[in-house]
Order: sequence, then structure tokens, then C-alpha cells
Amino acid sequence: AQSVTQLGSHVSVSEGALVLLRCNYSSSVPPYLFWYVQYPNQGLQLLLKYTTGATLVKGINGFEAEFKKSETSFHLTKPSAHMSDAAEYFCAVTLFSGGYNKLIFGAGTRLAVHP
Amino acid sequence: EPEVTQTPSHQVTQMGQEVILRCVPISNHLYFYWYRQILGQKVEFLVSFYNNEISEKSEIFDDQFSVERPDGSNFTLKIRSTKLEDSAMYFCASRREQDTQYFGPGTRLTVL
Repeated sequence: AQSVTQLGSHVSVSEGALVLLRCNYSSSVPPYLFWYVQYPNQGLQLLLKYTTGATLVKGINGFEAEFKKSETSFHLTKPSAHMSDAAEYFCAVTLFSGGYNKLIFGAGTRLAVHP
Repeated sequence: EPEVTQTPSHQVTQMGQEVILRCVPISNHLYFYWYRQILGQKVEFLVSFYNNEISEKSEIFDDQFSVERPDGSNFTLKIRSTKLEDSAMYFCASRREQDTQYFGPGTRLTVL
């Protein structure tokens, strides 16, 4: 069965500091991995995804994530935090089998950015 | 850019009442989903829908829940007799052939 673990339900950084949000997954077959962001009172917006190919993927708003199979990780990073990055971030995994591809989400990490 | 829309944004109902949550997926998408997020908890899969039938459902999706695509544009989630524990944010999502699911803004359901 697939599962996702996000370490740290709350992360606080200073503006301009590195953002690192951790995600580990469990999957018996090669996964597809996603990061979604949820701003207050809004829906889930796709930040980036890994399906196949290059293991370092770049997304919107300067975020990137690296798929590390050996570590079963897909950590999200951004070199320099901005106040507007304050939101909740969800890591998700799915199994692409030509099927219906439900997403399995982690518990989320709330990112706070302070001046 | 096309987007998934959901109505209403907030629904308040009495326990035992029926509610219908509405979604308009992106027009050329083929796969449709409902998820829910109880306050403070993770987003959970409820059901997927393809080719006018349920393709997968979670154990949360019991006989009180149903989904329908009544026309070419709407996708609805019905809860027949709401319980207090149904209070949550309900998200609709849709996908075409590629892997990415696009989510709507959600409907906050409050059961009193």
C-alpha cells in the first residue's frame, strides 16, 4: 500500500532563508509524486510533480524537489523564502497503472515566513 | 486558464438532511474525483468516477454517499443523511489522460 509521511506539521523560516519541507513515501512500485500548495481559504494548487525522467523537478514560484529513490524521499525546497510562500503544503503519491490514480496525501506542513 | 469550480463555497445543514455538492470539472477531462479534508487532518480520497461509473471508492464512501454526472458538465456528490462527522472541506478534482489532477476551491460543509 502507498503512504506519505511529511516530517514537521509546522515549519517557520525567516524571509530570505532556505525552505525545506520533507516528504517520504512508501510504494511497492515506482510512484508518481506531487507537491500541492493550499493558500488560506483556497483549493489545492499543483506546485510540481515527478513522473519519470529527471529526478530534480522545478515548479512554480521558485520551488523544486528531488526524487531520491534510495531514500524514498521527495523533499521540497526553495532557496529564498518570500512572505507570500506562507501556506500549507501537501505531498502526495499516486500509482500510475493506466487506472484511476487516486492521490494519497501526507498530513501537510504549514509554512510560516516571518520578516 | 480553465479551472475546476465548486458550489456552494460553504454549506450549513442540519444533521439528517441531504446535501448535494456541485462541481464543474475542466471541460475536456475524463476522470473525476471527490476528496475531503476534515479540519486539521489530511486530505482523503473518497471516490473516483470514469465513463459514467464509479471506478474506485474508499471505505469512507458508504451507502450514504453517491455521485452523479447528470449532464456533460456537472459532477455532484450527494450525502443522503448527514452526520456531524461529515463536516469537512470537500474537494472535487478532474484529470484528463495525463497524470495531474486539478482541484477546485472546495466546499466547506458544516453539519449542525
